[in-house]
Amino acid sequence: EDQVTQSPEALRLQEGESSSLNCSYTVSGLRGLFWYRQDPGKGPEFLFTLYSAGEEKEKERLKATLTKKESFLHITAPKPEDSATYLCAVQGLRYSTLTFGKGTMLLVSP
Amino acid sequence: DAGITQSPRHKVTETGTPVTLRCHQTENHRYMYWYRQDPGHGLRLIHYSYGVKDTDKGEVSDGYSVSRSKTEDFLLTLESATSSQTSVYFCAMSTSGSTGELFFGEGSRLTVL
Repeated sequence: EDQVTQSPEALRLQEGESSSLNCSYTVSGLRGLFWYRQDPGKGPEFLFTLYSAGEEKEKERLKATLTKKESFLHITAPKPEDSATYLCAVQGLRYSTLTFGKGTMLLVSP
Repeated sequence: DAGITQSPRHKVTETGTPVTLRCHQTENHRYMYWYRQDPGHGLRLIHYSYGVKDTDKGEVSDGYSVSRSKTEDFLLTLESATSSQTSVYFCAMSTSGSTGELFFGEGSRLTVL
């Protein structure tokens, strides 16, 4: 059974204070790891796909990295508009559907 | 243009009544999914479809059924709603079954009293 654990559950940052969110996973062969952003009352919005250890993807202040056991979402100099819940999901080779973590709720204060 | 819309967005119903949630997409995507999201749980897959009249069960399918008679519409039915089915339901679509890049709807909040 594929499993995804995200930490911390919630994170509060001051504007400009960089930090990282963690996504640990166990999967029987990784097809892909995915990061989503979810705003309150909205559906998740796709951010990144990572396929293999060592891979990195960047978008504005966000950078996602991948190892064989975990992924990090690094947030550099965050702004209040980065406040959201960030979801991590894995897709294994055995099952094509995604397994999601519970998410990290990020709040960036001005 | 949202590309994928859900209806109703909010619904309150009573235990034992049937409920149908509708998901409509305008992108001609083959794959569609129904998830539920609850506090303390991640998004959990209920059912998914890989084409017209082709559906399969997800992780939490008990008490739910789905139908897809047209590419653009994917219906989720609760035959007899229970309080444990109070949740926010999300529909999603993708271009293929091998991608994890899903496009989600805005969600349907269901309350079963």
